This record gives sequence, C-alpha cells and structure tokens, in this order.
Amino acid sequence: TQLLEQSPQFLSIQEGENLTVYCNSSSVFSSLQWYRQEPGEGPVLLVTVVTGGEVKKLKRLTFQFGDARKDSSLHITAAQTGDTGLYLCAGARDNYGQNFVFGPGTRLSVLP
Amino acid sequence: EPEVTQTPSHQVTQMGQEVILRCVPISNHLYFYWYRQILGQKVEFLVSFYNNEISEKSEIFDDQFSVERPDGSNFTLKIRSTKLEDSAMYFCASRESPGGTPEAFFGQGTRLTVV
Repeated sequence: TQLLEQSPQFLSIQEGENLTVYCNSSSVFSSLQWYRQEPGEGPVLLVTVVTGGEVKKLKRLTFQFGDARKDSSLHITAAQTGDTGLYLCAGARDNYGQNFVFGPGTRLSVLP
Repeated sequence: EPEVTQTPSHQVTQMGQEVILRCVPISNHLYFYWYRQILGQKVEFLVSFYNNEISEKSEIFDDQFSVERPDGSNFTLKIRSTKLEDSAMYFCASRESPGGTPEAFFGQGTRLTVV
C-alpha cells in the first residue's frame, strides 16, 4: 500500500510570511498533484509534477518534485489570507489511469 | 472553463435506502473516478472507470456500490442499501485518458447524510 504523509498537519502564519509544506512517501510515484480544498468543496488542482527534480512556479507558489520521485514540497512566498485552505498532495503510480493516493493534507491559516 | 459537475449537492437519505449520485465529467475526458471523504478524514479512492468498465476499485467499493455510464455524458454512483457509515462527501473526477496528462479534475462533491 502506497502512503503519502504530509507535514505539518496544521500551520498558522501571519500574512506576508513565507512557508513550506511537505509531502513524503517511501514509494515512488510517476507523478504528483497538489490540490487546494476549501471547506465543503472539491479539491482544486494547482499543479502536476512528473519529472524527478522538477520545479514549477505558479505565481507565489513553488512546487518541487524530489529527485527520487518520492517526495514533494510546496513553498508559498508572502502568504495572503486568500491562501488559507487545505493543501493536499496526491500521487499516481503510473500515467495509465491508475488511481491517485491522497495525503491527509496540511491545513493552512493565514491571518491578517 | 470546462468543469466536472455533480448533483445533487446535498442528499439526506434513510438507512437502507438506495441513492444515486450523478456526475457530468469534462466532455473530452475518458477516465472517470469516484472518491469519498468522510468528515475530517482523507480523500479515499473508491473506483475508476474507463471504456465502459471498472478499471480499478478499492476495498471500500463492495457489492453495495455500483457505477454506470448510462449515456454519453453522465457517470453515476449507486449505493444500494445505505449505511450510517456511508455518510461522506462523494467526489467525482475525470481525466483525459490513460497515458495522457496525469491530471484529474474534481467536481464540487455531493454531501451524503445517512440518518
């Protein structure tokens, strides 16, 4: 069974601060997706990383896939209150339609 | 922007009743999923569906569950005899095709409450 762990579980910071959240596994994934989920809503896809060592930037968000494709990180620069939410990572075993395994998420609160 | 739509947004049902949750995947997508999320817990995989048949299913997806693509647009999840522990948010997701971009897009979910 492939498991994804995320840390920290909860994070509360002031607006303007930087933060990094982590997604780790002992298993190799062919790709990894990051989602953000608001209460009572579905996960919204932020980014997909597929190559070991890959770095992708989405405005103030920087995503990195580990060289061994077992871990990933999400760094947010100058956090805003609108970044508040549950950040989920989800790994795919292969690209041929296999299901995604979700981590438990990091709940981020950005305070004004 | 294309999106996955789910109906109803909320469903309350009595234990033992049948429910059908409906999803309209993104139109050019061929691979479909159902996931569920019990309140405060992880998003859990239920089933994937491709080429009019189940591709993979989890241990949660027992014989009380079934999926169907009754026409060219809808994708449904049926729970035959609901139990209290089936109460959860149910999410439908779709992706373009196996072997293509490994990105799944999720609907807004159906909140199922079994009383």
